[in-house]
Amino acid sequence: GQQVMQIPQYQHVQEGEDFTTYCNSSTTLSNIQWYKQRPGGHPVFLIQLVKSGEVKKQKRLTFQFGEAKKNSSLHITATQTTDVGTYFCAAITNSGYALNFGKGTSLLVTP
Amino acid sequence: NAGVTQTPKFQVLKTGQSMTLQCAQDMNHNSMYWYRQDPGMGLRLIYYSASEGTTDKGEVPNGYNVSRLNKREFSLRLESAAPSQTSVYFCAGGAGLLEQFFGPGTRLTVL
Repeated sequence: GQQVMQIPQYQHVQEGEDFTTYCNSSTTLSNIQWYKQRPGGHPVFLIQLVKSGEVKKQKRLTFQFGEAKKNSSLHITATQTTDVGTYFCAAITNSGYALNFGKGTSLLVTP
Repeated sequence: NAGVTQTPKFQVLKTGQSMTLQCAQDMNHNSMYWYRQDPGMGLRLIYYSASEGTTDKGEVPNGYNVSRLNKREFSLRLESAAPSQTSVYFCAGGAGLLEQFFGPGTRLTVL
């Protein structure tokens, strides 16, 4: 399958600071998905990127897909306490039906 | 619509006991998935069913069996539970390259 590595594993920021998590693969990805999991909750889909160099925004969240389709990033501007959780990237496996998830980046935001 | 439901929410087993985790979806998804989540390990795919009548192994299938009972239901069975199977189990429904919808999870402890 198409393995994805995520960094950092943990990030602790003050409210109002920016945050970025990175997702990297050694192989070209067909697409990349991002999920958010709140503490004690289940993963919830945020977005899917498909095109080389694609950039999508959702309010304070900016998602990028690299030109070579081997990396992706999620950037949060001016974090809020509601951003707390673990952010996962995921790539479609060769079967086309399953996802390989990165290990996630856990974000802690202190007021 | 309930989305994806899982039962039970919590379970404690003794080593060697068996149990079945139930999952049902009312979103008419062809594909269904079982993941386990352990601290620092992200989400690892146990088994998936690309469509009714088919099942395939994921990354960590050993010690588990699955049944795709019909389009709505996908169960995960532990024949002889081991402490290493202590985890949070998530079921998800989806459609190939599109987003996956996760259930609330089952928190399983094996003593």
